Amino acid sequence: QQQVKQSPQSLIVQKGGISIINCAYENTAFDYFPWYQQFPGKGPALLIAIRPDVSEKKEGRFTISFNKSAKQFSLHIMDSQPGDSATYFCAASRGLGGSQGNLIFGKGTKLSVKP
Amino acid sequence: DGGITQSPKYLFRKEGQNVTLSCEQNLNHDAMYWYRQDPGQGLRLIYYSQIVNDFQKGDIAEGYSVSREKKESFPLTVTSAQKNPTAFYLCASSIVAGGLNEQFFGPGTRLTVL
Repeated sequence: QQQVKQSPQSLIVQKGGISIINCAYENTAFDYFPWYQQFPGKGPALLIAIRPDVSEKKEGRFTISFNKSAKQFSLHIMDSQPGDSATYFCAASRGLGGSQGNLIFGKGTKLSVKP
Repeated sequence: DGGITQSPKYLFRKEGQNVTLSCEQNLNHDAMYWYRQDPGQGLRLIYYSQIVNDFQKGDIAEGYSVSREKKESFPLTVTSAQKNPTAFYLCASSIVAGGLNEQFFGPGTRLTVL
């Protein structure tokens, strides 16, 4: 129940295309869903996050879609650019303070955007 | 220039040796975390600390130890009891533990056992 399943493991997209990464969770108590972006040899950085009271959140070219009934959420990268080539991690937590709010990470998706 | 620093960037260890990875933050964050990252495995929580002089085990604490004597510092020791220590180690911090608080990550230390 603590797992977050992420797919695909790797993704190749042409420049200008749409990249879509999906995550699924089991624990219905999760109520905070961030996405992190990691470049090779660097630490991850928060990209965008959503709470389940909304079905979609958009920040620039990045959009999170959230389907509470299906217990799924996804990251969409519009107009993908070579500079977006990185590993993306979804995560989930209960959004509570203390240890109950520890993040559970998916296994990551390596995105390559071809010029 | 606020942030999290980790040192060294690369570390080589002989089998049977203990090694200590450094993590320092000047963000005035109360909470700090250590994660292990293996290829295709995502980030797994080793230890976390919500406040000075207090820390809790994460999902994979066996073979690791930590201390939190200062708010700014959260060193991780990889002991000889850790059977497969070769990995990329990431330190993170947040204003307080859990909640909706963004975790800020350091640049990581890559540990290799020779």
